[in-house]
Amino acid sequence: NAGVTQTPKFRVLKTGQSMTLLCAQDMNHEYMYWYRQDPGMGLRLIHYSVGEGTTAKGEVPDGYNVSRLKKQNFLLGLESAAPSQTSVYFCASSTSGGSQPQHFGDGTRLSIL
Amino acid sequence: DQQVKQNSPSLSVQEGRISILNCDYTNSMFDYFLWYKKYPAEGPTFLISISSIKDKNEDGRFTVFLNKSAKHLSLHIVPSQPGDSAVYFCAALYQGAQKLVFGQGTRLTINP
Repeated sequence: NAGVTQTPKFRVLKTGQSMTLLCAQDMNHEYMYWYRQDPGMGLRLIHYSVGEGTTAKGEVPDGYNVSRLKKQNFLLGLESAAPSQTSVYFCASSTSGGSQPQHFGDGTRLSIL
Repeated sequence: DQQVKQNSPSLSVQEGRISILNCDYTNSMFDYFLWYKKYPAEGPTFLISISSIKDKNEDGRFTVFLNKSAKHLSLHIVPSQPGDSAVYFCAALYQGAQKLVFGQGTRLTINP
């Protein structure tokens, strides 16, 4: 049972480089989310999607873009990485929004030098 | 502005005793609350939830209590086991919202 799979697990970038984080879920969930976790800050929502072809901004969207071209995939892009984007990124999915529990991937640890 | 606060970054409890993790919130519009548990190098996993129409929800060793007047909820684990050692996040949302608001997390350590 794969659930939510995040690729890659670790990455080191130089300031100004770009990259894409991939999230894939095999549970046929409609909703998908991208969070970042920083020390002492908990999880903060970057962007989310309520279905294929839709995206919406979360709490901390600046510097990130997302796409949901296929229902099972949710991509998070950093166009020009900055040291402030050093964080652990988590993807999650749920059957619907609201009170439905979210299922999380194991995270991507990203360091920007 | 931190709408959901877990003021204790860490908690240490002896095996077999009760663990009590606390969470406070400021937004009176929140009407549903969830607890997630996170092990190192893994994603959070859902543990237990409670609606604002209830003041208690129980699932095995885990019980969540909600005090709406105080805007406070707590998670009780009885008895505590070594496998309960993890970081616990509380999260909240309000009717019609699509997104959760998380607290900072509390690291629970169960000592043998």
